[in-house]
Amino acid sequence: DTTVKQNPRYKLARVGKPVNLICSQTMNHDTMYWYQKKPNQAPKLLLFYYDKILNREADTFEKFQSSRPNNSFCSLYIGSAGLEYSAMYLCASSRDRGLAEQFFGPGTRLTVL
Amino acid sequence: AQSVTQPDARVTVSEGASLQLRCKYSSSVTPYLFWYVQYPRQGLQLLLKYYSGDPVVQGVNGFEAEFSKSNSSFHLRKASVHWSDSAVYFCAVRANYGNEKITFGAGTKLTIKP
Repeated sequence: DTTVKQNPRYKLARVGKPVNLICSQTMNHDTMYWYQKKPNQAPKLLLFYYDKILNREADTFEKFQSSRPNNSFCSLYIGSAGLEYSAMYLCASSRDRGLAEQFFGPGTRLTVL
Repeated sequence: AQSVTQPDARVTVSEGASLQLRCKYSSSVTPYLFWYVQYPRQGLQLLLKYYSGDPVVQGVNGFEAEFSKSNSSFHLRKASVHWSDSAVYFCAVRANYGNEKITFGAGTKLTIKP
């Protein structure tokens, strides 16, 4: 099974409220990634977990948090959503950080009102 | 630093016709290159990849891509498209060392006309 699951598929949030998105995979992959994708833009890497080590991109460092309670699950947390957070959030996993293929979930579409 | 440009946001092709989706990359080192495809309501899937060697690489479903170092390009081709090829196609690049991240292009939406 090469499936990456994401919940929920659609999320509506109010400005200033927290948002928590969930991703899971059963491939025993070491690395899990979160990307943000806005219309007509490239997927943008937000952060990734290599095993238990969290790596956040410098330009989004303070905007997103994440946790990985076990190998299979990874969450993306927004403490206070703003309108600019409206986007598709893609989760991916790979066997390692190197050349291994990344497997993507279907995404969660977040709309902030 | 690395970047990817997909100059065509949308491409429409008739079923049975040939296809080329363009990709230009910028990388300070020899790159690894990828094409991903996203079908409606699904996640991105790897179509093909280039690491080294023969500049023409074969992928799934009859797709191939050609790496050109002189042109900094990695164009995707298919000889005869099918309606099921309708999807968004993403070109991506990463450096050929360490654990560098993948940088994606903005994607090209392919529509197949009957």
